[in-house]
Amino acid sequence: QKEVEQNSGPLSVPEGAIASLNCTYSDRGSQSFFWYRQYSGKSPELIMFIYSNGDKEDGRFTAQLNKASQYVSLLIRDSQPSDSATYLCAVSSDSSYKLIFGSGTRLLVRP
Amino acid sequence: DVKVTQSSRYLVKRTGEKVFLECVQDMDHENMFWYRQDPGLGLRLIYFSYDVKMKEKGDIPEGYSVSREKKERFSLILESASTNQTSMYLCASRRGELFFGEGSRLTVL
Repeated sequence: QKEVEQNSGPLSVPEGAIASLNCTYSDRGSQSFFWYRQYSGKSPELIMFIYSNGDKEDGRFTAQLNKASQYVSLLIRDSQPSDSATYLCAVSSDSSYKLIFGSGTRLLVRP
Repeated sequence: DVKVTQSSRYLVKRTGEKVFLECVQDMDHENMFWYRQDPGLGLRLIYFSYDVKMKEKGDIPEGYSVSREKKERFSLILESASTNQTSMYLCASRRGELFFGEGSRLTVL
């Protein structure tokens, strides 16, 4: 069974701090990695995707991928209360149409 | 922008009723998906379709069927709704990343 694992949290950080969200996956054939944000009662929305080892930055968000260690992380700099949400990690292999989701990490940013 | 539209945001049905959840996407994506989301269980794939009239079972297909007669439309069918199918249902389409609809919250009494 292919799995994507995340700590359920909640991860609580003060406003302005860096929030670090982690995800590990079991399928070494995974090629595409996605981070989604989901507010309570809403559907997930894509924040970032990453395909290559290393870092990818977009504004306050940085995705980090290490295929050898099979983990992907999301860093949120200068965290804001509006970042409080559940963050879902998803992975996909090129041979599959499907994305496999982790169960999500709940982030709380304290004012 | 990609738009994935689900026909109903909230539904209340009785046990044994037949339920149709419809989903339309406007970006000509080949791949469409139905997930359900439950607290503590995350997103679980019910069915997906990679082309018109083509479908494959996901991880939890029991009690569900799907229909894809046109490329833009993917329907989820509960032939005889049961209380354990009370959930949030999310439709999505994909080329690269996955785009979600707003979700349909189904309550089966």
